[in-house]
Amino acid sequence: AQTVTQSQPEMSVQEAETVTLSCTYDTSESNYYLFWYKQPPSRQMILVIRQEAYKQQNATENRFSVNFQKAAKSFSLKISDSQLGDTAMYFCAFMISNNDMRFGAGTRLTVKP
Amino acid sequence: DTGVSQNPRHKITKRGQNVTFRCDPISEHNRLYWYRQTLGQGPEFLTYFQNEAQLEKSRLLSDRFSAERPKGSFSTLEIQRTEQGDSAMYLCASSSDRVFGVSNQPQHFGDGTRLSIL
Repeated sequence: AQTVTQSQPEMSVQEAETVTLSCTYDTSESNYYLFWYKQPPSRQMILVIRQEAYKQQNATENRFSVNFQKAAKSFSLKISDSQLGDTAMYFCAFMISNNDMRFGAGTRLTVKP
Repeated sequence: DTGVSQNPRHKITKRGQNVTFRCDPISEHNRLYWYRQTLGQGPEFLTYFQNEAQLEKSRLLSDRFSAERPKGSFSTLEIQRTEQGDSAMYLCASSSDRVFGVSNQPQHFGDGTRLSIL
């Protein structure tokens, strides 16, 4: 069974600093996709970044980057230069080719001014 | 691009009643997904359509739940004889199976329908 674990229920960071959110997953598949989604309070889920398992290079989107360790089944999200608008729930998600996306329980990130 | 639209935003009903939610995906997306999200948890996959075909159903989708996508565009999710445990946010997402030759595009989510069972 595919499972996703986010071990940090809550985190906080000072504005302009860097924070890393952890995610581990379990699967026997070799080809899959990993995502980080952001869900601001009372707003819809937004894709932050995605990573294909067959790519060794870590994905980067502006201030967001991942550290993908396939052997360790780890997929952490680094947010640089944190902004107040980054305050949200962050969900790590895993998807194999059948499109059944599994989400972790989420990490609530608060950016403090 | 108007995004994924879900109606209603909030539904309050008494236990035992039937409810129906609607999802309008992004127009060019052929894939549509339903998820359930309870407070403090990540979304849980319920079911998935490719065009009008329902290709995958989670074991979470009991026989009281039924989803349709008759013309491959909008979808409805119906819950019959609602129970207290059905209270949750029901999320719809859509994606395209191929954009510029790249498969498995990310899913775009709607705002969800929050169901409250009295």
